Amino acid sequence: SQTIHQWPATLVQPVGSPLSLECTVEGTSNPNLYWYRQAAGRGLQLLFYSVGIGQISSEVPQNLSASRPQDRQFILSSKKLLLSDSGFYLCAWSGGVVTRETQYFGPGTRLLVL
Amino acid sequence: DQQVKQNSPSLSVQEGRISILNCDYTNSMFDYFLWYKKYPAEGPTFLISISSIKDKNEDGRFTVFLNKSAKHLSLHIVPSQPGDSAVYFCAASDGGSQGNLIFGKGTKLSVKP
Repeated sequence: SQTIHQWPATLVQPVGSPLSLECTVEGTSNPNLYWYRQAAGRGLQLLFYSVGIGQISSEVPQNLSASRPQDRQFILSSKKLLLSDSGFYLCAWSGGVVTRETQYFGPGTRLLVL
Repeated sequence: DQQVKQNSPSLSVQEGRISILNCDYTNSMFDYFLWYKKYPAEGPTFLISISSIKDKNEDGRFTVFLNKSAKHLSLHIVPSQPGDSAVYFCAASDGGSQGNLIFGKGTKLSVKP
């Protein structure tokens, strides 16, 4: 079966510090991968998606970047965090055999920028 | 402009009764629809989906209805249980190769004992 991991679960960072959140998927190959952010009291905002190694598409221009160094690894980064980067970050994958569109989410990372 | 709308931010239902969560969409190219359930501080969990070639899909206590002419879908939970209390997100796909989903803003369901 497929599983998706995210770490860390919680992160408190000062403004201006760098960020690296990691997501890995097991049990599938060549998945589509996604990064979302859920700000307090708001819906899910798609930040980045990737259809393959090294292929990154950005949905919202901002202070963040993403990379996909391996087939099942997706990394969200920032060189200098802003207060507005606080939120709940979710990684997801899709491309299952039964339905390619269904996305499966990781447990999320809560980021607080102070 | 929101392509997927969940106009009710919250819904309160008595345990054992039916919960009906609604979702409207504007893009006629959407051909696959999904419902997710989310508890606080956790990732959304896939619940149930429906293809545009169907008008109903049932899985246990959960049934999703699709009305293509009205561009409307709904999730019915019968009977509702306190453990169903969560935020429910509606999502839609146009079948593109990147597999992007468009999410609604969610409806918070509270099931009272």
